[in-house]
Amino acid sequence: ETGVTQTPRHLVMGMTNKKSLKCEQHLGHNAMYWYKQSAKKPLELMFVYNFKEQTENNSVPSRFSPECPNSSHLFLHLHTLQPEDSALYLCASSQAGASGGYTFGSGTRLTVV
Amino acid sequence: GENVEQHPSTLSVQEGDSAVIKCTYSDSASNYFPWYKQELGKGPQLIIDIRSNVGEKKDQRIAVTLNKTAKHFSLHITETQPEDSAVYFCAFGGGNDYKLSFGAGTTVTVRA
Repeated sequence: ETGVTQTPRHLVMGMTNKKSLKCEQHLGHNAMYWYKQSAKKPLELMFVYNFKEQTENNSVPSRFSPECPNSSHLFLHLHTLQPEDSALYLCASSQAGASGGYTFGSGTRLTVV
Repeated sequence: GENVEQHPSTLSVQEGDSAVIKCTYSDSASNYFPWYKQELGKGPQLIIDIRSNVGEKKDQRIAVTLNKTAKHFSLHITETQPEDSAVYFCAFGGGNDYKLSFGAGTTVTVRA
């Protein structure tokens, strides 16, 4: 375990379903991130939260809705997804202002059918 | 985000040989340069990092070199082993922004 825990590890959902991805960190970090990783593509930054406030939304479709209730937890709510949204969704955390590295979770492998 | 070019995209080496991956970045204010290793089914894991006040850093078989003038940094893996097979990502950050910018990744395959 890296200190960043993502659940579930795998998720299969239909296009009309609503589901949520969860990320939890116990590292005392104050910044959290959602990334999308598709096959043969670079990591795509989706959302950034700094001290629970969203500081970046990287032109992500509204069918993805993030929530950060506190600096240790981050959610990604999913609804009416498309098959092209199938990917590995990675959560990461860092200490903003410390110019340090990210700690990633193991990701949620999402398949939209 | 800021641009970073990573080469090569794939690298196949014989076990015991060395592997070198190079990244070129755009933001001259960057001062932090980490490297991540991603194995199958896992998230990227930090394996080594370097800050701009240092030109080289080594940790056992892994080393990173930084050339700030040319704005590029490299990962060197010596005496490669099958467990080194993975996808490696470079990143850079610091300056005016705490976020990292990632390279596209290099798939390294070590042949036994």
